[in-house]
Amino acid sequence: ILNVEQSPQSLHVQEGDSTNFTCSFPSSNFYALHWYRWETAKSPEALFVMTLNGDEKKKGRISATLNTKEGYSYLYIKGSQPEDSATYLCASGAGGSGGYQKVTFGIGTKLQVIP
Amino acid sequence: GAGVSQSPRYKVTKRGQDVALRCDPISGHVSLYWYRQALGQGPEFLTYFNYEAQQDKSGLPNDRFSAERPEGSISTLTIQRTEQRDSAMYRCASSLGGSNSEQFFGPGTRLTVL
Repeated sequence: ILNVEQSPQSLHVQEGDSTNFTCSFPSSNFYALHWYRWETAKSPEALFVMTLNGDEKKKGRISATLNTKEGYSYLYIKGSQPEDSATYLCASGAGGSGGYQKVTFGIGTKLQVIP
Repeated sequence: GAGVSQSPRYKVTKRGQDVALRCDPISGHVSLYWYRQALGQGPEFLTYFNYEAQQDKSGLPNDRFSAERPEGSISTLTIQRTEQRDSAMYRCASSLGGSNSEQFFGPGTRLTVL
């Protein structure tokens, strides 16, 4: 995998359903994996940053896992609510000069939760 | 200020004109990134700085695009001889730097080239 890929590109779920989506990223020269939540007309906001293989992070009903060896991360939303409707962006931070990172974003997964 | 600010928020220009977009990062943030975002798409990397040093400009589409951050704080993205295809949302983000630093995004500048 050369780029950050997210799937599906869009998703409609009923309120109360749980859902998940995938981010695939280059596993070579990996530094960090970011998840952002982006509502239309607003700026992306960070949800999680993960660095270690096997990392799991949780914030309320949203959680994420990381597999750096195979180059993927999952984002899970439990009991989706209409306010979860947004585009979820994944970004991979690769090795950069001096330990700082260039960050490459995927195109996002657009989630719509139907009341 | 408390967050990343960008100016102008909206810019309409005629084809062939030069534009300068400004980003004011969060105070103390080492890293500053510029992205271009097409409607409904995720941010596309353009360039980034650590302090005043431009570390990577591989995402700049051509030599009409340039960026600077002369004092390691405010940054300017300049587009010379604008073309209609340059129309997009231009966002900047800043972070503390390091492998696990979240990025804080500015509100963006919506550029329209007529």
